[in-house]
Amino acid sequence: GQQVMQIPQYQHVQEGEDFTTYCNSSTTLSNIQWYKQRPGGHPVFLIQLVKSGEVKKQKRLTFQFGEAKKNSSLHITATQTTDVGTYFCAGRESNYGGSQGNLIFGKGTKLSVKP
Amino acid sequence: EPEVTQTPSHQVTQMGQEVILRCVPISNHLYFYWYRQILGQKVEFLVSFYNNEISEKSEIFDDQFSVERPDGSNFTLKIRSTKLEDSAMYFCASLGALVRTKGYTFGSGTRLTVV
Repeated sequence: GQQVMQIPQYQHVQEGEDFTTYCNSSTTLSNIQWYKQRPGGHPVFLIQLVKSGEVKKQKRLTFQFGEAKKNSSLHITATQTTDVGTYFCAGRESNYGGSQGNLIFGKGTKLSVKP
Repeated sequence: EPEVTQTPSHQVTQMGQEVILRCVPISNHLYFYWYRQILGQKVEFLVSFYNNEISEKSEIFDDQFSVERPDGSNFTLKIRSTKLEDSAMYFCASLGALVRTKGYTFGSGTRLTVV
């Protein structure tokens, strides 16, 4: 079955440093989504990427979808303490028959930011 | 901002007992999901529900699990005979008709503790 792998598992940074998390799928994806989960909270949708090679920005966050639609990355520039949480990628297979495939989540990258 | 509501927020139950976790998805959404997250681990897909029937389920969703949408608003997950390893945070999520442009909206979760 489809697997979504995410690295690193943990990242500790000093406030102001950059942060990147990487996501790889065992199969080609129709789209990839990114979620943020604050400690003790629930996943909150950040963004969806659909097109091969797509790059989207949200303020200090930059999301990329690979040309082969099998990998993705999230980059945060100049981290702040409010960025603390776990960042999950979630992918949906492209060759899923029927209405839609279900989201399969990566294990997440837990980001801690030292002030 | 519309919300997915889950009750209770925390449920403690004895092993072997039945539990029902309740969710009220966003009113005009069409696709409904249950995910679970064992403490500190990734978000795992359990089941998806569309048009009043299960559209897909994972290996975790065995005969002990069932879902219902009894009255057109509530969406419930029942675990018939709980096991210790069922202890986890259970998240309900819903998705509107524009499946290719939106992410899932997750509820705040029910923390199930089986003792």
